[in-house]
Amino acid sequence: GESVGLHLPTLSVQEGDNSIINCAYSNSASDYFIWYKQESGKGPQFIIDIRSNMDKRQGQRVTVLLNKTVKHLSLQIAATQPGDSAVYFCAETLNSGYSTLTFGKGTMLLVSP
Amino acid sequence: EAQVTQNPRYLITVTGKKLTVTCSQNMNHEYMSWYRQDPGLGLRQIYYSMNVEVTDKGDVPEGYKVSRKEKRNFPLILESPSPNQTSLYFCASRDRAGVQETQYFGPGTRLLVL
Repeated sequence: GESVGLHLPTLSVQEGDNSIINCAYSNSASDYFIWYKQESGKGPQFIIDIRSNMDKRQGQRVTVLLNKTVKHLSLQIAATQPGDSAVYFCAETLNSGYSTLTFGKGTMLLVSP
Repeated sequence: EAQVTQNPRYLITVTGKKLTVTCSQNMNHEYMSWYRQDPGLGLRQIYYSMNVEVTDKGDVPEGYKVSRKEKRNFPLILESPSPNQTSLYFCASRDRAGVQETQYFGPGTRLLVL
């Protein structure tokens, strides 16, 4: 499949561990944030989003935390599975999602059985 | 099955030879867009369309054209490709401009311009 980056930061975990992927965003005015997952050879897939009026949002096995003070997002994946192996991107935007998305460069998550 | 399709998936061409990458979605989405993905740079938006006959430039539009004559199709046109357009291209669609959670990406088109 296509490679999305040759020198991405990589997080290696064991199956069953909890994973935390971090992202520093660039624009203090951004008010809407999204995490995407990109598996090898595929397009990005929406995982979870959060608006700037929230600090935390939970989905199924995933939690996103937002710290506006230091412009930091994190994605927590509980009980990581081999199928979670992928590149994870954060994206930020203005105007509650109506403006262009600005994507981070991504982190590769490798899950060992 | 809800999907965004792109063709071709892989393309090798030479500088200056016009090419078109097609994109089609079957979800009746209003909003469609094109991105390019390059190592170390992440995804960058090329063009977007908020509805039929409405298109606008994204962050990196130079060297590209688009059209939106029908709701389902949003082709990307490179009139005179150059080697710096070698990249991985993704088409995406979503229900409406602000509804990011419905955004679907196509499988990607790998373009090499010699």
